[in-house]
Formats: sequence, structure tokens, C-alpha cells
Amino acid sequence: QKEVEQNSGPLSVPEGAIASLNCTYSDRGSQSFFWYRQYSGKSPELIMFIYSNGDKEDGRFTAQLNKASQYVSLLIRDSQPSDSATYLCAVKRTGDDKIIFGKGTRLHILP
Amino acid sequence: NAGVTQTPKFRILKIGQSMTLQCTQDMNHNYMYWYRQDPGMGLKLIYYSVGAGITDKGEVPNGYNVSRSTTEDFPLRLELAAPSQTSVYFCASSPRTGVNTEAFFGQGTRLTVV
Repeated sequence: QKEVEQNSGPLSVPEGAIASLNCTYSDRGSQSFFWYRQYSGKSPELIMFIYSNGDKEDGRFTAQLNKASQYVSLLIRDSQPSDSATYLCAVKRTGDDKIIFGKGTRLHILP
Repeated sequence: NAGVTQTPKFRILKIGQSMTLQCTQDMNHNYMYWYRQDPGMGLKLIYYSVGAGITDKGEVPNGYNVSRSTTEDFPLRLELAAPSQTSVYFCASSPRTGVNTEAFFGQGTRLTVV
């Protein structure tokens, strides 16, 4: 089992709809969870981080964490064409502070 | 504030050659990371460092070496380059340990081994 798993997509969502991106992780002791957005040919940029169970909202973005199920998700409301990118889930392990990334989910927002 | 700076941006290397990818950060971050990203894939951790003089292997360390003599610099050395090392390499830094400290990335180095 990979440490951080994501559906590679592509995930196609109509403009204005909600995009839902999912991620599971295997290290139960992980404490910090990050969502990065990466445009083609660019560096990853942080969208949100979360470390407590529940929801965390920032503008159109909501991160959800369920440590019991080892599951983290990102919701993008009112999706815009500019949201089309690859979304990378990352997990920071306790003990050694490694930051491990998933393969990423490609998101296409359809105008 | 330059952040994380990587050089070079692009490089073509012949099989068997060696090179050093440079990474420097001016944010006084303790933690630094090297990742590689193959086409259509996520980032794989090569090596990381939690401070000057301390380095450790990541997920895919074979064929690479690192050193961390200063807080600012974290060079990645490729010895005997192979086509399998064709990738985009990202360096990142993080301020400290803790639950809410993300990694800040450099602009990447695109390496082709032919």
C-alpha cells in the first residue's frame, strides 16, 4: 500500500460546480496534511493545510480530515477554469518529518 | 526575499556524467527536501535534511548524494547519470517541525539524460 494515495483522474467538473478531491494515507501517526496545486510546468503551491479532525474553510476551498478513516479531502466550490490543475495531497509524518506526496489528481473545469 | 532558488533551470546530461543541482534558501529554514517528479506523476522524496550536518534518505535515494554544510544550501549530486534520472527536480524548505509548517518550493530543475 502506498503511503499517500490519490485517484489520478482526470476529474472533469462543470464550471460553477463543486469539485471533490480525495486522498488516503497509510501512516496512522501522521499529523499534518497539505493540499498543493500545481499548474503544468510550474512548482507546487500550497492551497491549504489541516491537522485537526473536521473541516477547515478558506474562501472557496474546504479541507476535510478524518483521522479514524485516514482520509483527507479538498472541496472546491464554484469551480473556475483557473482551477484546472493537478492537485497534490501531502502528508507530514511524525517522528522523521518527511513530507510524502501522492501522485496527484488532474482536475479539468469545463467552461 | 528570493525564497528557494534552484540552479540550473534546465540541463542536458550525457549518460555517465555527473552534476550538482544547487538549492539555496534565504528564509533561515531548518528543513530542506529534494523531490523528483516524473511526467504525470507526483513528487517522490529523494533526500531531506533537518538541519546543517544532518541528512537522511527519502523514498528514492539511489544514484544521488546530498550534503548540508550550511543552513542555506542543500546541493544534490548525481553520480554516473542514467536515463532513469531524467525528471524535474524540486527543492523545498520548511521552517521548523510542527503540525502547520508547509514546504516552500523552488522553481525546479528540468534534467534530461541522453
